[in-house]
Amino acid sequence: AQTVTQSQPEMSVQEAETVTLSCTYDTSESDYYLFWYKQPPSRQMILVIRQEAYKQQNATENRFSVNFQKAAKSFSLKISDSQLGDAAMYFCAYRNPLLSTSGTYKYIFGTGTRLKVLA
Amino acid sequence: SAVISQKPSRDICQRGTSLTIQCQVDSQVTMMFWYRQQPGQSLTLIATANQGSEATYESGFVIDKFPISRPNLTFSTLTVSNMSPEDSSIYLCSVERGSYNEQFFGPGTRLTVL
Repeated sequence: AQTVTQSQPEMSVQEAETVTLSCTYDTSESDYYLFWYKQPPSRQMILVIRQEAYKQQNATENRFSVNFQKAAKSFSLKISDSQLGDAAMYFCAYRNPLLSTSGTYKYIFGTGTRLKVLA
Repeated sequence: SAVISQKPSRDICQRGTSLTIQCQVDSQVTMMFWYRQQPGQSLTLIATANQGSEATYESGFVIDKFPISRPNLTFSTLTVSNMSPEDSSIYLCSVERGSYNEQFFGPGTRLTVL
């Protein structure tokens, strides 16, 4: 079965600095999707960035980028120039490439990393 | 992206009662999903709701405890029945959108059971 592991329950970063959140996963599939989601305190969960496993190039969205190491099954998120608004819980998620019995793609989420941004 | 609203945003309920959570999406979707996020933990899929058919429940979740309705392509409800303090969680609905079938989440319903 697929698993997603976020080994850092909590991280802190100084404003304007760079921080990297770790995520590892386990799968026997070769083609899948990986995502990072952000959940600010008492606010809606939003998608930060996605990575397609068949693409070697690391995804980038403004100040957010990933380091995708397929062989190592590692998918870390780098936040550059951290801002106070980046403070949130960050979830790494794996999406199975195969449809489930319900006809949808099953997502598996990690346990999350709480990021604190220090002024 | 998708605009998803949930009602109520939070509630405090007594043990043994039931609560129905509503989820409204801004446009038609085939599938809607219900997740549970227990305090300090990750998201766990409860069930997938397809319009016009019974919901598909994940292991550990049963229809008697979490009945789901899906009367049309923009709306779904999740009922948490015969509640106990262990049901205290955030309940999230979500939909799939876009060419990558990404999950977009509602704001969640924070449930506390006393």
